[in-house]
Amino acid sequence: GAVVSQHPSRVICKSGTSVKIECRSLDFQATTMFWYRQFPKQSLMLMATSNEGSKATYEQGVEKDKFLINHASLTLSTLTVTSAHPEDSSFYICSARAHRGNTEAFFGQGTRLTVV
Amino acid sequence: GESVGLHLPTLSVQEGDNSIINCAYSNSASDYFIWYKQESGKGPQFIIDIRSNMDKRQGQRVTVLLNKTVKHLSLQIAATQPGDSAVYFCAEASSGNTPLVFGKGTRLSVIA
Repeated sequence: GAVVSQHPSRVICKSGTSVKIECRSLDFQATTMFWYRQFPKQSLMLMATSNEGSKATYEQGVEKDKFLINHASLTLSTLTVTSAHPEDSSFYICSARAHRGNTEAFFGQGTRLTVV
Repeated sequence: GESVGLHLPTLSVQEGDNSIINCAYSNSASDYFIWYKQESGKGPQFIIDIRSNMDKRQGQRVTVLLNKTVKHLSLQIAATQPGDSAVYFCAEASSGNTPLVFGKGTRLSVIA
């Protein structure tokens, strides 16, 4: 299957700082990428849909000014957690489809963010 | 047996037995469904998918059943192995390039 690479896999940052997470599709072009957040022992919750060359679409309750998404190319989307707080500590996962429409979505390996 | 934990229900099965993991979905407009396996600290891994024009699909050691009437999806794993221990999620999407919406998940624990 197609490969989605996410970096970093783990990051620890201080409260008030910003953290950038990268999501790359390695062997296909992804016009749309999706960002999820997962708290311990819970399911994946969709945060936003990242569209190449346009603004991201955020789910209700997700602050767009806090979680900045940039999808500058067909193979790269970034999520920046700004002014991070301990409650932002979570597992962040991106996914991408190789084709439009309902097809398999490939997931990155996730980023464990810990804010201290 | 099956039990409901704080957040994730858990299914415990003996090695070699068959496992059945169930999922109820809520959106009657969903027409595409996927089962994912997630091991600790990793992203979800694709297992099998099914479209709404089918009610059954088989893969290697896995079978997905779809009952649209009651909005129910199940994953059957034959001859369950210790390596199958993980959390399993169903995900659904409606038509178009819509994001996958994940179910609550079930933790499968294989007893050797």
